Amino acid sequence: DAGITQSPRHKVTETGTPVTLRCHQTENHRYMYWYRQDPGHGLRLIHYSYGVKDTDKGEVSDGYSVSRSKTEDFLLTLESATSSQTSVYFCATQADGTVQTQYFGPGTRLLVL
Amino acid sequence: QQQVKQSPQSLIVQKGGISIINCAYENTAFDYFPWYQQFPGKGPALLIAIRPDVSEKKEGRFTISFNKSAKQFSLHIMDSQPGDSATYFCAARNSGYALNFGKGTSLLVTP
Repeated sequence: DAGITQSPRHKVTETGTPVTLRCHQTENHRYMYWYRQDPGHGLRLIHYSYGVKDTDKGEVSDGYSVSRSKTEDFLLTLESATSSQTSVYFCATQADGTVQTQYFGPGTRLLVL
Repeated sequence: QQQVKQSPQSLIVQKGGISIINCAYENTAFDYFPWYQQFPGKGPALLIAIRPDVSEKKEGRFTISFNKSAKQFSLHIMDSQPGDSATYFCAARNSGYALNFGKGTSLLVTP
């Protein structure tokens, strides 16, 4: 699992509130990713980072922002949570471009009421 | 738009049988095709992967078959076991390193 932890593991929040999910890695991997997993959709990329302070959007980035101030931490923020953002969120890391394996964290289950 | 199409959505196989999951893609720039296995409540874990210059890769009971001209690849699980019951995802990567996942196949291996 490449030493990936996600916090919190479970969260219930209300519509309109901001939410921040944290991904922490101990392997010094350069690349980090945030995916969401929903039934019938598989895993979809939200945002990714290719270095400290270097981030880019994925296919479902609307309503989300990210920050990476340190190699080991990648934060995902839902600026104003909506019920459509109820999902399981996975963080993943990858050492560098030549080493292909993406390692996934245990996930955060988010419920927006 | 789903860049990788996976089938079937669910699969039931008897113990000892062969499980086959198929994926198709359109983007010829994809250069790496992994399969991930996910158990309930866990994150996906890499099972096996292949590059398009190879037609087949085998690791234990798991084999990827790759057909570049048809833009299809498949996972074969030989001698399927109840412990193989999980959700399987195929994926494809382009030069940007992000993975495009299929929607997943829920496999149940019955005793």
